Amino acid sequence: SQQGEEDPQALSIQEGENATMNCSYKTSINNLQWYRQNSGRGLVHLILIRSNEREKHSGRLRVTLDTSKKSSSLLITASRAADTASYFCATDNYGQNFVFGPGTRLSVLP
Amino acid sequence: KAGVTQTPRYLIKTRGQQVTLSCSPISGHRSVSWYQQTPGQGLQFLFEYFSETQRNKGNFPGRFSGRQFSNSRSEMNVSTLELGDSALYLCASSLVFGELFFGEGSRLTVL
Repeated sequence: SQQGEEDPQALSIQEGENATMNCSYKTSINNLQWYRQNSGRGLVHLILIRSNEREKHSGRLRVTLDTSKKSSSLLITASRAADTASYFCATDNYGQNFVFGPGTRLSVLP
Repeated sequence: KAGVTQTPRYLIKTRGQQVTLSCSPISGHRSVSWYQQTPGQGLQFLFEYFSETQRNKGNFPGRFSGRQFSNSRSEMNVSTLELGDSALYLCASSLVFGELFFGEGSRLTVL
């Protein structure tokens, strides 16, 4: 069964707006990562947050992690048309393997 | 530094045939993982190799197999292809068990 579940499945916003995606997982993790995938391409790593971290920033990205709720959120600020992609969270089951959620399809309209 | 290279990028096979996909990881990366991506099932973990040893395996039938060579290059093989095997197969390499670097994928269509 999949560990991560993103919410919403699809999100459509205007350029300049912020986009928030959520990820929930079921078991204890070592770390959680977010990836972006442009249509039909490979995934690109965005950010990694460890289980003992609560918030992390990278450019226009802000990730939070709440291990008590087993959830994470990815915030993209001041979105651009180039941010249009699918976003996946991936959980690390302590060295066993990474489990990816179904992803959120983000459309940023000009 | 060259990225992860997957070949072929696209291929079409018929049911019953077999296919071999290749992945060349980033230089120095010893871990190679394979994922199957379909619209219905999303990204599913196939297996992971480290220093020529399979460390982890996902829930796929025995028709799916892989190996890793001494230079860290990896191949995966799917025998007796079924229509449901049509997917984007993604390879990812990593230096340690952390950030994954993905290739562009091999898109397999089974007719």
